[in-house]
Amino acid sequence: NAGVTQTPKFQVLKTGQSMTLQCAQDMNHEYMSWYRQDPGMGLRLIHYSVGAGITDQGEVPNGYNVSRSTTEDFPLRLLSAAPSQTSVYFCASSYSRRPLFHYGYTFGSGTRLTVV
Amino acid sequence: KQEVTQIPAALSVPEGENLVLNCSFTDSAIYNLQWFRQDPGKGLTSLLLIQSSQREQTSGRLNASLDKSSGRSTLYIAASQPGDSATYLCAADSGSARQLTFGSGTQLTVLP
Repeated sequence: NAGVTQTPKFQVLKTGQSMTLQCAQDMNHEYMSWYRQDPGMGLRLIHYSVGAGITDQGEVPNGYNVSRSTTEDFPLRLLSAAPSQTSVYFCASSYSRRPLFHYGYTFGSGTRLTVV
Repeated sequence: KQEVTQIPAALSVPEGENLVLNCSFTDSAIYNLQWFRQDPGKGLTSLLLIQSSQREQTSGRLNASLDKSSGRSTLYIAASQPGDSATYLCAADSGSARQLTFGSGTQLTVLP
């Protein structure tokens, strides 16, 4: 089924460890983004990409790194995990050019990360 | 900076009632507005998308309206069912980063 696939679904890290959250889409969407969802804070944009080789920061980028080497994949790296990064992470994708981006966003099922 | 507010934060209704969820946004320069449903511990499921040039969209028992000039959108759910129980989120697509700005959601409980 076409869509956004995130792995892993659950992860527990120790403070200071690094890891990569994977995100892949098969809809040929140019635009991909990462959000984190925290109780009382809603969903906030971490990083986004408008196409292969192009990335930019969102609202809460500190502690995270991204790259976009292909249209399909947009991994999110935690460089040195901190308890404040305990959250649910969602990857989303969309077309980036008018009028196609009027189709809206497709979200993955999320990665629930706990940092102890 | 875009800000999105959803009212009410929680709503409990008996099965069969028609109900309205409200969403307001501060910057009317949006590309589109999207309504999502989120079940506990799950991801976001897109319900309806309203483009900036549209006034409303319908899907089954759901109808969403958009009034850009007043910065408001409503989600109307007809003949509610217990299976409609979930958190409903609205999100405004705006800005040079095409950032989705989310409201904090309305937690809906439909009682059998």
